Amino acid sequence: GDSVTQMEGPVTLSEEAFLTINCTYTATGYPSLFWYVQYPGEGLQLLLKATKADDKGSNKGFEATYRKETTSFHLEKGSVQVSDSAVYFCALSLQTGANNLFFGTGTRLTVIP
Amino acid sequence: DSGVTQTPKHLITATGQRVTLRCSPRSGDLSVYWYQQSLDQGLQFLIQYYNGEERAKGNILERFSAQQFPDLHSELNLSSLELGDSALYFCASSVDPSNSPLHFGNGTRLTVT
Repeated sequence: GDSVTQMEGPVTLSEEAFLTINCTYTATGYPSLFWYVQYPGEGLQLLLKATKADDKGSNKGFEATYRKETTSFHLEKGSVQVSDSAVYFCALSLQTGANNLFFGTGTRLTVIP
Repeated sequence: DSGVTQTPKHLITATGQRVTLRCSPRSGDLSVYWYQQSLDQGLQFLIQYYNGEERAKGNILERFSAQQFPDLHSELNLSSLELGDSALYFCASSVDPSNSPLHFGNGTRLTVT
């Protein structure tokens, strides 16, 4: 079935370190891919998205490229800040007329000063 | 602030009871989604409504039901509650049912004792 496999956490980095959170997917058809972020005590917020192969989504210094050949959508940031500490979710949408998202298990990131 | 309002924020109840969770979507959004976030299952899609009609169904138990009212707010009813129903329940909304980003509320934390 359709699913998202996400890098296990938690991840702890020092401020200004490079971040990669791996995400791979399995889907029939051509899904849209998303990264959502959940800050403590809040709901999920859309971080970035890509709707077709080779698209790059970017926002707030985060980037992810839709790689059809490797069925991946890895999240990267060149220099993390303490304020980036949150749980990050990779997700896909099948674009079948319904917008329901399939989420990965989430990766908790903690950035220490 | 996503503009999606969920009430109550916390709910504690006993096994066998019934509860109703309420969601007001962002102004202008016609589609509402319900998700369950638990430690062992992660984020699971339950059900989607668009303009009062059911649009898509996910892993929603028969003990659970939902509806979207003419004013577009939605309610999720959970009955015959079990300990395993303890989770964070998120509502999300979007402008259209198939392509626009989802905006999440802050969730209702349900504890079944």
